[in-house]
Amino acid sequence: GESVGLHLPTLSVQEGDNSIINCAYSNSASDYFIWYKQESGKGPQFIIDIRSNMDKRQGQRVTVLLNKTVKHLSLQIAATQPGDSAVYFCAEIYNQGGKLIFGQGTELSVKP
Amino acid sequence: DAGVTQSPTHLIKTRGQHVTLRCSPISGHKSVSWYQQVLGQGPQFIFQYYEKEERGRGNFPDRFSARQFPNYSSELNVNALLLGDSALYLCASSFGAARTGELFFGEGSRLTVL
Repeated sequence: GESVGLHLPTLSVQEGDNSIINCAYSNSASDYFIWYKQESGKGPQFIIDIRSNMDKRQGQRVTVLLNKTVKHLSLQIAATQPGDSAVYFCAEIYNQGGKLIFGQGTELSVKP
Repeated sequence: DAGVTQSPTHLIKTRGQHVTLRCSPISGHKSVSWYQQVLGQGPQFIFQYYEKEERGRGNFPDRFSARQFPNYSSELNVNALLLGDSALYLCASSFGAARTGELFFGEGSRLTVL
């Protein structure tokens, strides 16, 4: 069946440290991956994406790594801040348009 | 600029009732997708509409239906509500229909079925 995301349900880090959130995906045919951040009571917010022909992409304080050999995706957040506390979801897109397959998510908690 | 807007934000229904949820996409966006998010899980794809036509359907029963209007707003309808339909219903819009990851999500409509 469809599935994305094996996860650490909760990740706790100290403010200022780097965070790494991991995700495993099951469909080797997926060609587009996205990380979303969801704060309590809000909808998911786009963070960064990566196509399957890439293995790394950097944004502002965030880096996404893609390892297609082991079907693994990770999100690295540099200098984690209290405002980064949220649930983070990885998602994949098949070659079918706008259908996103989300994982279960990882809750990131940042301690001051 | 207004983002994706959804209404109502919260509602309570009883089993067997019907519910209609509404979504207005970002101005200029022609595609609307609906997702169901059960507490503690990731969103699950229900429908995608583009230019008023259904472009995709997830693994949901026929009790779930949707439509898109000429102004690109959308409605999600759920008939014969079950307790398990209690969830946050998210609407997302994008400019195009295909191969886009940058969906813009609304804040959702939280449905509780008693």
